[in-house]
Amino acid sequence: GQNIDQPTEMTATEGAIVQINCTYQTSGFNGLFWYQQHAGEAPTFLSYNVLDGLEEKGRFSSFLSRSKGYSYLLLKELQMKDSASYLCAVVDSNYQLIWGAGTKLIIKP
Amino acid sequence: NAGVTQTPKFRILKIGQSMTLQCTQDMNHNYMYWYRQDPGMGLKLIYYSVGAGITDKGEVPNGYNVSRSTTEDFPLRLELAAPSQTSVYFCASSYDSSGGSEQYFGPGTRLTVT
Repeated sequence: GQNIDQPTEMTATEGAIVQINCTYQTSGFNGLFWYQQHAGEAPTFLSYNVLDGLEEKGRFSSFLSRSKGYSYLLLKELQMKDSASYLCAVVDSNYQLIWGAGTKLIIKP
Repeated sequence: NAGVTQTPKFRILKIGQSMTLQCTQDMNHNYMYWYRQDPGMGLKLIYYSVGAGITDKGEVPNGYNVSRSTTEDFPLRLELAAPSQTSVYFCASSYDSSGGSEQYFGPGTRLTVT
């Protein structure tokens, strides 16, 4: 079967750094997405990784290790507006997106 | 560009009723998708379409139907609504299905079946 695991909830302090992990077991791999979803809103695109390594985009970075079936999203200089759910999604061999349940990130002042 | 729009935003249905969720995109995307999102669960693909006139089942198609008569519109039909269909429904579109083609989401329809 196909499976994507993320922590259910994480808490961090404003101004700090947080790393959200995602491990996956899927039939094939054609890339991994991270999306942000604020409560009551639609998911919005954050990053895409298809090759091993780190992709940096401002305060957000995403890392991929295909051999380990592992990715993480790194958020730096946390702001209150970063309170949201972060969804990991893998593109499988049929080019369908397989979604994790999401990690709810709570930012405290 | 409005992006992806969905109507209605909220709806309460009685068991056995039917309804159509509307979805329109103005980005000239070929690919469109319907997902449902239940609390604590990942998005589940209901149906998708690779272009006008072509649709296919996703992971959880039972109880739903779709059509794609134009590039812009991809309505989702619920027949004989059941409480298990209480969920948030998202429509999305993408330029193609290549690995790096991000999906753009509509604002969602919150459906309750009682």
